[in-house]
Amino acid sequence: DAGITQSPRYKITETGRQVTLMCHQTWSHSYMFWYRQDLGHGLRLIYYSAAADITDKGEVPDGYVVSRSKTENFPLTLESATRSQTSVYFCASSVGVRTQYFGPGTRLLVL
Amino acid sequence: AQKITQTQPGMFVQEKEAVTLDCTYDTSDQSYGLFWYKQPSSGEMIFLIYQGSYDEQNATEGRYSLNFQKARKSANLVISASQLGDSAMYFCAMRGNSGNTPLVFGKGTRLSVIA
Repeated sequence: DAGITQSPRYKITETGRQVTLMCHQTWSHSYMFWYRQDLGHGLRLIYYSAAADITDKGEVPDGYVVSRSKTENFPLTLESATRSQTSVYFCASSVGVRTQYFGPGTRLLVL
Repeated sequence: AQKITQTQPGMFVQEKEAVTLDCTYDTSDQSYGLFWYKQPSSGEMIFLIYQGSYDEQNATEGRYSLNFQKARKSANLVISASQLGDSAMYFCAMRGNSGNTPLVFGKGTRLSVIA
């Protein structure tokens, strides 16, 4: 009964490197989301997906790429990491309208 | 577009007392949902309670209740009988009327429970 898992949980990288954050859910929820959390901003939406092969931009999509070839996986890629992408990244999923479940988060530091 | 405002950056409450965390929202949707999440120092986001805009009664979940005042566009979280383990960040969030839409979050309120 893992729910949503994210990997890695912690990542240190350098500017300009490509980084992929993984998200896996075991519920077969159709909807999945990526948020980032920064001090003073709460959580902001990066991208979301309504189903496999259907994705859409959120509030802060620049510098990020997503894909969803399988319902259970929703990876987030930073094509060329920048210091401003240092943040905590949360993946979430939902199937109904009354809740949205979050993964444990990935703490990313870009040097 | 939806907007959530949490005006209390930090709150203190005595153990065993009740506390209200404020949340106001703005939306032009007729149907929407309001959520509260707890984020302890360990960092995970824990779902607490949900209120639908057409729900006839205010939502309750154990020691958590949501004081929903639709006309005032407020959705305050009430925690009864505070415990030390309630010390955390609390986020109010909402979704629009399209069902599984992404959440829009407020900036959070840090609650500290004092023994």
